Amino acid sequence: EDQVTQSPEALRLQEGESSSLNCSYTVSGLRGLFWYRQDPGKGPEFLFTLYSAGEEKEKERLKATLTKKESFLHITAPKPEDSATYLCAVQAGNTDKLIFGTGTRLQVFP
Amino acid sequence: DTEVTQTPKHLVMGMTNKKSLKCEQHMGHRAMYWYKQKAKKPPELMFVYSYEKLSINESVPSRFSPECPNSSLLNLHLHALQPEDSALYLCASSLTTGPYEQYFGPGTRLTVT
Repeated sequence: EDQVTQSPEALRLQEGESSSLNCSYTVSGLRGLFWYRQDPGKGPEFLFTLYSAGEEKEKERLKATLTKKESFLHITAPKPEDSATYLCAVQAGNTDKLIFGTGTRLQVFP
Repeated sequence: DTEVTQTPKHLVMGMTNKKSLKCEQHMGHRAMYWYKQKAKKPPELMFVYSYEKLSINESVPSRFSPECPNSSLLNLHLHALQPEDSALYLCASSLTTGPYEQYFGPGTRLTVT
């Protein structure tokens, strides 16, 4: 069965303290892996799409990487405004569905 | 512009009411989605429309009825809902059904009393 697991469930960082969020997946035939940021009570905001192992994408303080088993979202020198839930989702096989992980709740303190 | 709009932002309805949620995008996307999200859970897929035709129904109860009048609009008609249907309802769109990123709207916060 296709599965997406995110860790840690919650992460507390001091402002400027870099870290990484993990998304591990077990799917048949990865077609795309997506990262989203979601603020409380709002819709998910698209961040990155990764299609194949070795691919990397960057945007401001965020960098997403992909291997054959997992993806990392690296946050460099985070700021309080980076506090949010980060969701990973995978599309695989011949389905049009996104399989979401349960998310990592990130809190960045000044 | 990657904007998906949803109305209303908030909706309170009784179990005997009939209401509708509306979603609109003008990005030329041909796939549109309805999701339901409960607190501290990821979005849960309800329906997928591809080129204005329903392509996925995730065994959603018939009290939820989707409609796609044209390529820019998506409606969700609600009737005889239960309190457990209270949630954030999200609309999303993508270029086609994949694998392309989906852009989400801000959601409608639904409370069933």
